[in-house]
Amino acid sequence: DTGVSQDPRHKITKRGQNVTFRCDPISEHNRLYWYRQTLGQGPEFLTYFQNEAQLEKSRLLSDRFSAERPKGSFSTLEIQRTEQGDSAMYLCASRPTGTDYGYTFGSGTRLTVV
Amino acid sequence: SQQGEEDPQALSIQEGENATMNCSYKTSINNLQWYRQNSGRGLVHLILIRSNEREKHSGRLRVTLDTSKKSSSLLITASRAADTASYFCATGTQTGANNLFFGTGTRLTVIP
Repeated sequence: DTGVSQDPRHKITKRGQNVTFRCDPISEHNRLYWYRQTLGQGPEFLTYFQNEAQLEKSRLLSDRFSAERPKGSFSTLEIQRTEQGDSAMYLCASRPTGTDYGYTFGSGTRLTVV
Repeated sequence: SQQGEEDPQALSIQEGENATMNCSYKTSINNLQWYRQNSGRGLVHLILIRSNEREKHSGRLRVTLDTSKKSSSLLITASRAADTASYFCATGTQTGANNLFFGTGTRLTVIP
């Protein structure tokens, strides 16, 4: 499988718990992105990595959110002390460096905070 | 906001008809991309048009870009039931940001 993989597909958690999602990008892609999408809306940018360096973070990414990409391969997105407003689809995408490449998205992780 | 806006929000057509979706954006761009999303799934990249291009084709897809009006359109010809999905435009800006800004999408329903 040469696509972008995300795990888990679905996560239900109680408010206040911590959750961690994983993304495995296409191996040749050195850029990796996290987006969040709520029902009926387009994806909203959260953060992006160039190899292992986290180069940009959205204001949407509160201090409860942290992302890592050790060794420039897979990435994790952790949400601490989850709130009901965190319920959303979390999408990961990757692409090569350069200006005119489309993104390859994973199928997403659907988070439900109860 | 740099986010694009698609119009219409929802579109319902008969199989075989053409579907046209429009996108407007606010800032100068490097490129504009269109994506498709089936319900509950990730997005699939359809086509990218550079800021110096005016029209691009890919199979049954035709994209136009008018940078003077800051607008783009996506035409799907001879639609099929399998084209039922949400369609998003996304802009890569010239401001140095290295991410795409997505619109709110057009929900297309193709009736068999």
